[in-house]
Amino acid sequence: GIQVEQSPPDLILQEGANSTLRCNFSDSVNNLQWFHQNPWGQLINLFYIPSGTKQNGRLSATTVATERYSLLYISSSQTTDSGVYFCAVWWGNTPLVFGKGTRLSVIA
Amino acid sequence: GAVVSQHPSRVICKSGTSVKIECRSLDFQATTMFWYRQFPKQSLMLMATSNEGSKATYEQGVEKDKFLINHASLTLSTLTVTSAHPEDSSFYICSAYSVNYGYTFGSGTRLTVV
Repeated sequence: GIQVEQSPPDLILQEGANSTLRCNFSDSVNNLQWFHQNPWGQLINLFYIPSGTKQNGRLSATTVATERYSLLYISSSQTTDSGVYFCAVWWGNTPLVFGKGTRLSVIA
Repeated sequence: GAVVSQHPSRVICKSGTSVKIECRSLDFQATTMFWYRQFPKQSLMLMATSNEGSKATYEQGVEKDKFLINHASLTLSTLTVTSAHPEDSSFYICSAYSVNYGYTFGSGTRLTVV
C-alpha cells in the first residue's frame, strides 16, 4: 500500500521563527490533505491540496504530485501553532493513509 | 465548510459495559464515514469504513463483534464498543468525506474503561 513519510518527526521553534514540514508519499495519489491536531485531539483541516500551492494567513502548502511530495510552510510561528501536523493521502475513494506526523512545539 | 459533530467528547465506563459514540455530518450528506483509533503519541489507525445502508467494512485485526458500527442515515454513523475492557481505552475519531472539502474529522471521543 501507499507509504507516507513525514519529516522532521519533532520540531522545536522559537516564537516568530519559520519552518517547513515535508511529506513524501510512495505512490501516485490524486488527493492530499494537511491537518493540525491540537492538544485536545481535534484534527483541523488546514489544506486540501492535491497539487499546486495554497495559502491561508501564515500557513501555505505546496504539493508536487509528479515528484510525490508536499510541503507545509509555517511563518512567524506562534505558541498556538503547537501540536501535531499530519499529512494524509488517498487515491479515488480509498481511505486516508496518514503519515506519523510532525510534533511541533513553539516556545515563547 | 463541512462540519462533523462527534459525541460524547469524553466518557468513562466500567468494564463489561457498552458505550455508543455518535458521528454526525451537520451540513452535508455522507454516504461513507470512517472510524479511527489513536493511541498516545501515535498516528491515526483506520478501524472501519461505515457505509450508509449496508454493513461496515472492518480493517484487518479489528473485531467487528466488539466494535459495532451502524450507519442508519446519510448524516449519522455510530460506533458501539461492546463489553468494554481497559485495553479498549483510547481516543476514537470519526471522519466524513465531502467533495468540496475533502475529509473532515469530528472532535474525537476519549474513552476510559475502568
